[in-house]
Amino acid sequence: LAKTTQPISMDSYEGQEVNITCSHNNIATNDYITWYQQFPSQGPRFIIQGYKTKVTNEVASLFIPADRKSSTLSLPRVSLSDTAVYYCLVGDGGATNKLIFGTGTLLAVQP
Amino acid sequence: DSGVTQTPKHLITATGQRVTLRCSPRSGDLSVYWYQQSLDQGLQFLIQYYNGEERAKGNILERFSAQQFPDLHSELNLSSLELGDSALYFCASRRTPGANVLTFGAGSRLTVL
Repeated sequence: LAKTTQPISMDSYEGQEVNITCSHNNIATNDYITWYQQFPSQGPRFIIQGYKTKVTNEVASLFIPADRKSSTLSLPRVSLSDTAVYYCLVGDGGATNKLIFGTGTLLAVQP
Repeated sequence: DSGVTQTPKHLITATGQRVTLRCSPRSGDLSVYWYQQSLDQGLQFLIQYYNGEERAKGNILERFSAQQFPDLHSELNLSSLELGDSALYFCASRRTPGANVLTFGAGSRLTVL
């Protein structure tokens, strides 16, 4: 299983773009990269998933370099409500799959 | 509403007791995952079921057990409870192989006194 490493915490201000990077040096060929957001006392919520290059949806973008050993979640123009813990998850999506979350990154957005 | 239903939402019990947490996955999802999250801690993977069969085990204590029934709902049984078992227990379901998109329930908060 590919282990993930993220910064423990990040600070930002409202309106800024935030980039959170996750390292997954031993990612396997069949592994996908998935990001989740978690607010206190709530279950994590899926944000975005990708395999290579760039993926964009209505809330975020995910950048994956050619070697796939890292990925960057980009949140455009953050607001106070984006304060949360962000997890990256790597796995092959098979029927038997320990989906193990890392420590996550606590993003604190200030006014 | 995520479509994953967990009951009870809150549970307070004493050390040494046994409790059962229940999870109904999102309609059509065959996989169920259980996670434990203690105060200010990360998500600890406990166990996974796929279509009624145990498929993966994480750091689940021997005092804990789980199962997935034919209707795909799952139960997590915690016995001989200790103070350290106080935590949020999340259930998540996943639609099919080929995607790591988990849908989480709201969690069951267990307090052991």
